[in-house]
Amino acid sequence: DTEVTQTPKHLVMGMTNKKSLKCEQHMGHRAMYWYKQKAKKPPELMFVYSYEKLSINESVPSRFSPECPNSSLLNLHLHALQPEDSALYLCASSQDGDQETQYFGPGTRLLVL
Amino acid sequence: SQQGEEDPQALSIQEGENATMNCSYKTSINNLQWYRQNSGRGLVHLILIRSNEREKHSGRLRVTLDTSKKSSSLLITASRAADTASYFCATDAGGYQKVTFGIGTKLQVIP
Repeated sequence: DTEVTQTPKHLVMGMTNKKSLKCEQHMGHRAMYWYKQKAKKPPELMFVYSYEKLSINESVPSRFSPECPNSSLLNLHLHALQPEDSALYLCASSQDGDQETQYFGPGTRLLVL
Repeated sequence: SQQGEEDPQALSIQEGENATMNCSYKTSINNLQWYRQNSGRGLVHLILIRSNEREKHSGRLRVTLDTSKKSSSLLITASRAADTASYFCATDAGGYQKVTFGIGTKLQVIP
């Protein structure tokens, strides 16, 4: 299984809502990533988990809260988002170690109203 | 600033032609990767070239790396309509597990 899955595919939420994005991989990868991608822009790294511990937080606002319950799952909890947070949120995983190929999920298209 | 900057930002060619995209970067790297993204979808890894390599092939893809010029090129030969996508180069930014993406080249292959 060389697939990274993400749910939901689309999400519309109000600024007062709380929602979560989910990501799953069964490749035995020990590093998992969250990226944010605005239209016509490259992905921007948000968080990296390595061996279920947060190793990189790219100064992301606290309204985004990552969680890694186990080595196969990665969540992104959303609360009190702003309209400018509307974007494609991509999850990726890699074997771990430096400069590893990353495998991406299809993304969650988020719209904040 | 962007570690990787692709050139051109948009490219339109006829099916069967070759497509060449370039990537320039600013700092030393351990490797450079190329990814493809179909509209609104996830990224697909195409090829990784290490700093001690100069050229690499994978099917219809050919990647070159010139570390002295801090640049790389991706050549897609005999392009197909299915190659229509955005192509990103990605470099490590000196941080463990941290890959930084360039601005991308949007390729359109006209049948």
